[in-house]
Amino acid sequence: DAGITQSPRHKVTETGTPVTLRCHQTENHRYMYWYRQDPGHGLRLIHYSYGVKDTDKGEVSDGYSVSRSKTEDFLLTLESATSSQTSVYFCAISEWTGMNTGELFFGEGSRLTVL
Amino acid sequence: DQQVKQNSPSLSVQEGRISILNCDYTNSMFDYFLWYKKYPAEGPTFLISISSIKDKNEDGRFTVFLNKSAKHLSLHIVPSQPGDSAVYFCAARDNYGQNFVFGPGTRLSVLP
Repeated sequence: DAGITQSPRHKVTETGTPVTLRCHQTENHRYMYWYRQDPGHGLRLIHYSYGVKDTDKGEVSDGYSVSRSKTEDFLLTLESATSSQTSVYFCAISEWTGMNTGELFFGEGSRLTVL
Repeated sequence: DQQVKQNSPSLSVQEGRISILNCDYTNSMFDYFLWYKKYPAEGPTFLISISSIKDKNEDGRFTVFLNKSAKHLSLHIVPSQPGDSAVYFCAARDNYGQNFVFGPGTRLSVLP
């Protein structure tokens, strides 16, 4: 199994509070991603990183920010949580292995409930 | 608009029979396709992939077929086993980089 750890695994918070989810990898992979999973939508990309301090927005980035100060850590921050951000969040990693190869490895997920 | 579609939210199959999960995509720049399997309360796990230069890839009981002209791929599981019961996600990557787009998933139930 790929060495990916997400924390916290479960969190309940109130609307308007800040929340930070952490993803830690031990694989030294260049690419890191944050996805959210919601019924009927599958996995949607929030933000991704292609190197230390190099990040970009995904499909559903509004209300989220990320930071990557070290290769192994990728943080997802909700500055002011809303009920629509109640979801299961997955971190993933990948490495560029050339054209037509390579896959994502996922963490166990972090379930966030915003009341 | 979804770039990767899985039009069947659920599928039930008898143990030992074939399971066929379908996926359609709209972006012709996708060059690499993957299937993931997800059990409840776990992260998705990689199952099988196929490059756009191929039309079939096989790994044990799992075979993925790609029809580029129709922008369609399918996952065949033969024979299906109860342990295959899970949600299956189709994903695609475009040839500009390492972004992966996922479909909404199909829940497969294999009945004993």
